[in-house]
Amino acid sequence: EVQLLESGGGLVQPGGSLRLSCAASGFTFSNYAMNWVRQAPGKGLEWVSAIVVGGSTYYADSVKGRFTVSRDNSKNTLYLQMSSLRAEDTALYYCAKDYGDYYLYYFDYWGQGALVTVSS
Amino acid sequence: QSALTQPASVSGSPGQSITISCTGTSSDVGGYNYVSWYQQHPGKAPKLIIYAVSNRPSGVSNRFSGSKSGNTASLTISGLQAEDEADYYCNSYRSISSPYVFGTGTKVTVL
Repeated sequence: EVQLLESGGGLVQPGGSLRLSCAASGFTFSNYAMNWVRQAPGKGLEWVSAIVVGGSTYYADSVKGRFTVSRDNSKNTLYLQMSSLRAEDTALYYCAKDYGDYYLYYFDYWGQGALVTVSS
Repeated sequence: QSALTQPASVSGSPGQSITISCTGTSSDVGGYNYVSWYQQHPGKAPKLIIYAVSNRPSGVSNRFSGSKSGNTASLTISGLQAEDEADYYCNSYRSISSPYVFGTGTKVTVL
């Protein structure tokens, strides 16, 4: 059974940093691309970032230059390093497995999310 | 990075069929057969219900079907049931520099 468990969320001041983790199990983590998708309170889904097999990374314009996605295949873990956080980054951050490996297709499994609140 | 356009809400009575549209451009929906649909119940994570325009994952009811014409994709729910009341989002591949774009989301209400 595929399981994705996010952690690392919390309250952070504007301009601060936070690192999210996503522990994966139930599939061969190193063989698949992975994504971060966020949802602001009461709002829709927004794709944030992806990392494919081989390590190429992709970002939404709204986070480019501030967020960094990475993966540790030895630990079956996906990360999202967030810096220069803004109030508009407040959201539930989902880790989502991609169907693809070197290419991106769709999100076939989702975690339960980690809440990030940016406020002073 | 503008989102794909969906109606804010759609409603129907039990047993009826409803269709949710998802309108993009030739650079996303119209240019690729990588449209997917997600169902999200309140307080829950999204769930994949349609991939590659019209394919259903194992375990998803055959009451859900997808199609595409030009720059518009559609999700049809037939034989509407109370459990179908949820938010629905479309998603499409867009470009190598910014691969994914979601729709604005549609709230389905079962009357």
